[in-house]
Amino acid sequence: GDSVTQMEGPVTLSEEAFLTINCTYTATGYPSLFWYVQYPGEGLQLLLKATKADDKGSNKGFEATYRKETTSFHLEKGSVQVSDSAVYFCALRGTNAGKSTFGDGTTLTVKP
Amino acid sequence: NAGVTQTPKFRVLKTGQSMTLLCAQDMNHEYMYWYRQDPGMGLRLIHYSVGEGTTAKGEVPDGYNVSRLKKQNFLLGLESAAPSQTSVYFCASTPYGRGDPTDTQYFGPGTRLTVL
Repeated sequence: GDSVTQMEGPVTLSEEAFLTINCTYTATGYPSLFWYVQYPGEGLQLLLKATKADDKGSNKGFEATYRKETTSFHLEKGSVQVSDSAVYFCALRGTNAGKSTFGDGTTLTVKP
Repeated sequence: NAGVTQTPKFRVLKTGQSMTLLCAQDMNHEYMYWYRQDPGMGLRLIHYSVGEGTTAKGEVPDGYNVSRLKKQNFLLGLESAAPSQTSVYFCASTPYGRGDPTDTQYFGPGTRLTVL
């Protein structure tokens, strides 16, 4: 079945540091790939998505490129802020009723 | 437009008690989903619905039942709660039919359930 493997956390960075959170997936067919962010006590918010190979999703300075050859969708940001502290989830959605498969989440803490 | 709402926000149950969680969406979405989130883990699909009057099992359906009598509401029931069902429950919906994988899922704020 489908699966998503995320870089284990937690990740602690200083403000303005470069961020990479690795995500690889296994799926049949042509899934769409997503990054969600969850702030403490809240639900998941869509951060960005890519729906086909070589697409780049971007939002709020975050980027991720859909790499079919390496089955990856790594999240990057050039300069993190304290307000980026949250849990980040990589997910894929396949064609079977649009069900999502999530990674285990990576907790990011950014220190001033 | 309230999006996806969930009630209640918090609940504490004793083992063996029953309860129903309500998810409501005002976006006329076809597909709705119930997930649970446990510490250090991603979301796992419990049940889902592809339209009014339909339900289907997800990855971890045991101990739960669901109903979708109205398009805008998706109910999750626990008939006899167990401590293993202590979790945060999230509801989600997507706008289009056919399970288009490009659709964005919209999530509710979650219900934190503790079973003692």
